[in-house]
Amino acid sequence: DAGVIQSPRHEVTEMGQEVTLRCKPISGHNSLFWYRQTMMRGLELLIYFNNNVPIDDSGMPEDRFSAKMPNASFSTLKIQPSEPRDSAVYFCASSWGQGMSNQPQHFGDGTRLSIL
Amino acid sequence: GNSVTQMEGPVTLSEEAFLTINCTYTATGYPSLFWYVQYPGEGLQLLLKATKADDKGSNKGFEATYRKETTSFHLEKGSVQVSDSAVYFCALSGAGSTEKLVFGKGTKLTVNP
Repeated sequence: DAGVIQSPRHEVTEMGQEVTLRCKPISGHNSLFWYRQTMMRGLELLIYFNNNVPIDDSGMPEDRFSAKMPNASFSTLKIQPSEPRDSAVYFCASSWGQGMSNQPQHFGDGTRLSIL
Repeated sequence: GNSVTQMEGPVTLSEEAFLTINCTYTATGYPSLFWYVQYPGEGLQLLLKATKADDKGSNKGFEATYRKETTSFHLEKGSVQVSDSAVYFCALSGAGSTEKLVFGKGTKLTVNP
């Protein structure tokens, strides 16, 4: 079975541009998570969805960040306008959850974002 | 709030050495505990998990035991290989926040031949 698929793998863009990261979760999974990883702050949860509904977006840094999940097989994370401090690796993960905390999350390979 | 503390890295070992990476947690209720591994250029992969006190998770020669009395979940392997070089993350979930994972900062392991 295919794992979590993220695109693009690498993105380099200039400050002020809009950036869109994409994620396709594992088929059948109903929870989806967006994380950001940096050397300074480690791995941070930005937002997570259950059954396409945002459950917790307390980790979203500011209004420049937005995430959507229009259907069970696709999610986007947008940054507009982008800033150099947004440079990081962004991971998407999915799991099968119905409030069950013991289900593992499956991660994509990440998008390495560089804002110049 | 919930938190995970794991030993600072980096850790450098010779092949066939014994590995311990310490992990302690703070949580209300009864969390599930996980170890994830991240190889260079890849996402995190589940290594092992334990869902209740005294459970032992194991995989690929790695083990960790859920110790409620010491709030710990230390990762061990008896004989490491070069291919075990990676970053290891301890994490918890379920302590009042269902599926949300709280991660430690990660420990980078390098195994030399």
